[in-house]
Amino acid sequence: AQSVSQHNHHVILSEAASLELGCNYSYGGTVNLFWYVQYPGQHLQLLLKYFSGDPLVKGIKGFEAEFIKSKFSFNLRKPSVQWSDTAEYFCAVNAQGNFNKFYFGSGTKLNVKP
Amino acid sequence: SAVISQKPSRDICQRGTSLTIQCQVDSQVTMMFWYRQQPGQSLTLIATANQGSEATYESGFVIDKFPISRPNLTFSTLTVSNMSPEDSSIYLCSVEDLSGRTGNEQFFGPGTRLTVL
Repeated sequence: AQSVSQHNHHVILSEAASLELGCNYSYGGTVNLFWYVQYPGQHLQLLLKYFSGDPLVKGIKGFEAEFIKSKFSFNLRKPSVQWSDTAEYFCAVNAQGNFNKFYFGSGTKLNVKP
Repeated sequence: SAVISQKPSRDICQRGTSLTIQCQVDSQVTMMFWYRQQPGQSLTLIATANQGSEATYESGFVIDKFPISRPNLTFSTLTVSNMSPEDSSIYLCSVEDLSGRTGNEQFFGPGTRLTVL
């Protein structure tokens, strides 16, 4: 079965620091990759997604992620975080043949200090 | 994108009782999904609910414990039966975005936070 690993459970940064959150998945076939974000008291919402094409994907609010197939990774990055980026971030994968089934990582809580 | 609401938003229940969670979507959707997010853990798919057929349950989840109804294309319920403290969790409803592209993303409801004493 597929699995998704997020190695950073809790990250604390100061404003303007750069962010990189790791995500690795285990599946040898074609996958689609997602980052979801959950701001305090709000729904899970999509940050960005990769289906095919350019492996560097740009999302909302200045976030981007790079799909490295050889490393089974889809790390999330932002050059300069803001206090408003404080949230929990989830990496997710779905696989060819069963695109309805999402596998989620355990999440990374990001606290940005003003 | 779909707008999804859930009721109740939270509840505190006694061991051995049951709770039914409602999920309402503002548009017709074919498939609805129920997830569980236990404290400190990732989201885990419980079942997929299609209108007009029985729900499909993932490994580790059974209909007797988590009966699901899907009476129409905009509504579903999940019941957590004979609850124990281990059922304390956030339960989320989601729907898929059939935008015509592959790799459908999912939209999530606000969740129901359940605490079982």
